[in-house]
Amino acid sequence: EVQLVESGGGLVKSGGSLRLSCAASGFTFNKYGMNWVRQAPGKGLEWVSSITSTASYTSYADSVKGRFTISRDNAKNSLSLQMHSLRADDTAVYYCTRDDARLLSVYEFWGQGTLVTVS
Amino acid sequence: EVVLTQSPATLSLSPGERATLSCRASESVRNYLVWYQQKPGQAPRLVIYDTSNRATGIPARFSGSGSGTDFTLTINSLEPEDFAVYYCQQRSKTTTFGGGTKVEIK
Repeated sequence: EVQLVESGGGLVKSGGSLRLSCAASGFTFNKYGMNWVRQAPGKGLEWVSSITSTASYTSYADSVKGRFTISRDNAKNSLSLQMHSLRADDTAVYYCTRDDARLLSVYEFWGQGTLVTVS
Repeated sequence: EVVLTQSPATLSLSPGERATLSCRASESVRNYLVWYQQKPGQAPRLVIYDTSNRATGIPARFSGSGSGTDFTLTINSLEPEDFAVYYCQQRSKTTTFGGGTKVEIK
């Protein structure tokens, strides 16, 4: 069974930093692209960042470019999102998602999310 | 950026009725249009990918159609578990999501 478990969310002051993690299990992690998608309270979904299976390519939404860094550790089946210079509008539930095996940016599996609150 | 506009914002229907949800793109996304379902307090769930392909475990009452800029998600004979918010997403260019359509019980 595919499982994605996010952690690291919490309350942080504006301008602060936070590191989110996603522990993956139930599939061959190093074969899949991974992503972060966020959802502000009561709002819709927003893609944040993606990383290819070998970490050879990363991409970011303009709203986080230069402040967030996505990374992965294939030996530990782990995905991370390092967030700096946090702003109030970064407040959201952050979901870790896995691409479909064949289809880029089709989010076949989602974690339960971790809440980041920037005050 | 490709902007996706979903309509209506809210759809009030009774169980057994048909739901028709629209997603319009600001430019052509070819057939690279995806639909997700989200229930309160839960993560989204993949429903349809690339316009018309049902994801694993999605019942046949869900169907998708369209191409280019205009897409539709149809849910035939709504079941109680289908009442939720539905989001469309395009993956033709840098991915974006629509604002969602809430399907609520009338």
